[in-house]
Amino acid sequence: KNQVEQSPQSLIILEGKNCTLQCNYTVSPFSNLRWYKQDTGRGPVSLTIMTFSENTKSNGRYTATLDADTKQSSLHITASQLSDSASYICVVSAQSGTYKYIFGTGTRLKVLA
Amino acid sequence: GAVVSQHPSWVICKSGTSVKIECRSLDFQATTMFWYRQFPKQSLMLMATSNEGSKATYEQGVEKDKFLINHASLTLSTLTVTSAHPEDSSFYICSARDPQLSQPQHFGDGTRLSIL
Repeated sequence: KNQVEQSPQSLIILEGKNCTLQCNYTVSPFSNLRWYKQDTGRGPVSLTIMTFSENTKSNGRYTATLDADTKQSSLHITASQLSDSASYICVVSAQSGTYKYIFGTGTRLKVLA
Repeated sequence: GAVVSQHPSWVICKSGTSVKIECRSLDFQATTMFWYRQFPKQSLMLMATSNEGSKATYEQGVEKDKFLINHASLTLSTLTVTSAHPEDSSFYICSARDPQLSQPQHFGDGTRLSIL
């Protein structure tokens, strides 16, 4: 069964600190993996996308890694800011004609001043 | 700026009312749009895939007569929640796929539906 699991479920850190969010998936055949940021009451916004051959992708203070062998991905946030408080969702796309997207349950991040 | 516009952003209505939610792709033609439902502190759950000019494909457990989807043009898909009840209260999000890019999804900002 195609699944995407994220950890931790929630995380509280102090402003300026770094943090790493994890994503494990069992989606097969794999097409790509995206990390989204979802502010409360808003739609998700894409942060990074990685295909099978990519190991790392950066977007400002966000750096995503992908290990396709172990089917794991991480999202590292550097020098966190209050505006980073949001849910971060890992989404894996399966290779198929219907472009199925499997969503993780998300990690809720709270950055405190 | 936003590439997918969703309207309205918030709806409060009485039980038994039908509610229509619009999803528009602003600067590209979307042959495929997706409708999701999200309950508090949970992730998005795909309800149906909307295909321009043809019938929508519903996920298992989603009542197609309850959630009517129309994708009459390449830039507009609508979701109508018919005879809404309090248990239909949720956050509904649409997304559209830009065929010019590799499997992207642009999400709307969602519609908060509250049924009294």
